[in-house]
Amino acid sequence: GENVEQHPSTLSVQEGDSAVIKCTYSDSASNYFPWYKQELGKGPQLIIDIRSNVGEKKDQRIAVTLNKTAKHFSLHITETQPEDSAVYFCAASRGSNDYKLSFGAGTTVTVRA
Amino acid sequence: DAGVTQSPTHLIKTRGQQVTLRCSPKSGHDTVSWYQQALGQGPQFIFQYYEEEERQRGNFPDRFSGHQFPNYSSELNVNALLLGDSALYLCASTPTGTSGGAFGPGTRLTVL
Repeated sequence: GENVEQHPSTLSVQEGDSAVIKCTYSDSASNYFPWYKQELGKGPQLIIDIRSNVGEKKDQRIAVTLNKTAKHFSLHITETQPEDSAVYFCAASRGSNDYKLSFGAGTTVTVRA
Repeated sequence: DAGVTQSPTHLIKTRGQQVTLRCSPKSGHDTVSWYQQALGQGPQFIFQYYEEEERQRGNFPDRFSGHQFPNYSSELNVNALLLGDSALYLCASTPTGTSGGAFGPGTRLTVL
């Protein structure tokens, strides 16, 4: 089955700096890669996603890049703010009758004021 | 527009007991998936329901079963609870034929 690895496990950044989280996946058939933000006591919230026919996608301060050849994708958060502090998860899915998400272990991001 | 809702919020059970968790999907979504999230880990896929049938299943024993109702809401049942079943149980809903979706706030299950 799919194996998603996520690094780093913890990340501390100064407010205003950038944060980068990297994930690798094992299943070359995966074609959908969402990122979720989970705050304490809440369920994961989809913040951005990318499909295999796109190399990069941006939404305001958040961007995701995908390298299908190398089987890795990354989340970039620019101009970090205290409210960006949370646990971030990457995930991968095949789609096409196999819609389950395989998640990474998560990255705890702390933005220092 | 209400998102995914789950009940109860918290639940405490003892080993060997049975539990039922409930989920109402987001409006317009007809597919429901369940995930188990142990403390400090990413969610693990349990199964997915579509058209009232289990369409896909992860690596979970038969003690985990589910049901989907005609209104698309769903239940997760766990029999013969073990200490290791203690976790946050998440429900996610999606429209037909899509991945990802919206997650509910989860049910925190503690098995003593």
